[in-house]
Amino acid sequence: GAGVSQSPRYKVAKRGQDVALRCDPISGHVSLFWYQQALGQGPEFLTYFQNEAQLDKSGLPSDRFFAERPEGSVSTLKIQRTQQEDSAVYLCASSPTYTGANVLTFGAGSRLTVL
Amino acid sequence: AQKVTQAQTEISVVEKEDVTLDCVYETRDTTYYLFWYKQPPSGELVFLIRRNSFDEQNEISGRYSWNFQKSTSSFNFTITASQVVDSAVYFCALSEANSGYALNFGKGTSLLVTP
Repeated sequence: GAGVSQSPRYKVAKRGQDVALRCDPISGHVSLFWYQQALGQGPEFLTYFQNEAQLDKSGLPSDRFFAERPEGSVSTLKIQRTQQEDSAVYLCASSPTYTGANVLTFGAGSRLTVL
Repeated sequence: AQKVTQAQTEISVVEKEDVTLDCVYETRDTTYYLFWYKQPPSGELVFLIRRNSFDEQNEISGRYSWNFQKSTSSFNFTITASQVVDSAVYFCALSEANSGYALNFGKGTSLLVTP
């Protein structure tokens, strides 16, 4: 696609519910990133994929967070037993290669509100 | 420790004024990359510029200019003759060679340009 697409754009969940957030990266982009952006803060790194391999998940805040990219394209971020502190915008980004010079293309984000 | 510091939380200017957004970074790597991203109200982070640590040449792109000074670990961003459409949150970010790919973002500066 022309850009990084994320769905849903908005999600309201009751505490304890499971949620799944989807990311469609730019076609052919090797690298895919998930970031979490709390209100008034900068994005914080969650996890990184190179094709289907999850190379770094050091930023995932707890074992309730799980991400996958089984075919090296679409990725899903799953949050189990949501808590109020999980409320944030979840940003997905992709890039064509893997280097520190990568320019990431970001999606518009999925705003999660946990009641 | 915060690797990227954007001390200005909010700035408000009147249209046509010049404005400088400050960014100070911290790294032990000799190879690193600095970025500026813009986040308009729609939420999507938009790439503005990337500099590598070996290139301290300042850059100008239309009304935008960037001043990179390794001696002070700063990468400041100036908008000349600001316009209402410049209103957004601006993020400075650092990518270090030794930590590869993950972008470390500052907390952002919210710029409001009023007519």
